[in-house]
Amino acid sequence: NAGVTQTPKFRILKIGQSMTLQCTQDMNHNYMYWYRQDPGMGLKLIYYSVGAGITDKGEVPNGYNVSRSTTEDFPLRLELAAPSQTSVYFCASRSPTAGLADNSPLHFGNGTRLTVT
Amino acid sequence: KQEVTQIPAALSVPEGENLVLNCSFTDSAIYNLQWFRQDPGKGLTSLLLIQSSQREQTSGRLNASLDKSSGRSTLYIAASQPGDSATYLCAVTKAAGNKLTFGGGTRVLVKP
Repeated sequence: NAGVTQTPKFRILKIGQSMTLQCTQDMNHNYMYWYRQDPGMGLKLIYYSVGAGITDKGEVPNGYNVSRSTTEDFPLRLELAAPSQTSVYFCASRSPTAGLADNSPLHFGNGTRLTVT
Repeated sequence: KQEVTQIPAALSVPEGENLVLNCSFTDSAIYNLQWFRQDPGKGLTSLLLIQSSQREQTSGRLNASLDKSSGRSTLYIAASQPGDSATYLCAVTKAAGNKLTFGGGTRVLVKP
């Protein structure tokens, strides 16, 4: 069981370039999330999705876009990379237990370390 | 706006000593609180989840308590081992929502 898989693991971008961070999960989870983690800081929510075709903004969505065409995949798109987007990006998923949607634990991928120069 | 704080940011203890990690949050209207472990270069692993109606959760050497009224949670790790060295993060889920707010984490080093 692979869990949550993120690719690539590392990437260096020049300012203004674009890229897509891939995230896929094989646990049939409905809820998926993108977080960024800056050094010494907690994780900040970028976007999340409660199911295929449904996405919503988190705390820090500016400069990013997402799509959720399938249950398994939740890619994160950076259109015009900026140095402020240098960070480690984590994808996570969880399965809502009937009637207790928020009480299921999050499963995380191993992260994508992105540097924008 | 919910704010989650973890103090200290780093902690070093000798092997065998009990670890006490603190987490505080500003809005007591939470749905649950989770503790996570993060190893260098890795994602987060969920350790314990405490629902708002619960006072504590236990798993092996780990025990987490929750005091909603004071906005505090404590993670106890008994008889620490070098393998417990990692960063520990807490996160709260707001009432009627599914978004987590994370603390900055406590980096733990257990010396052999």
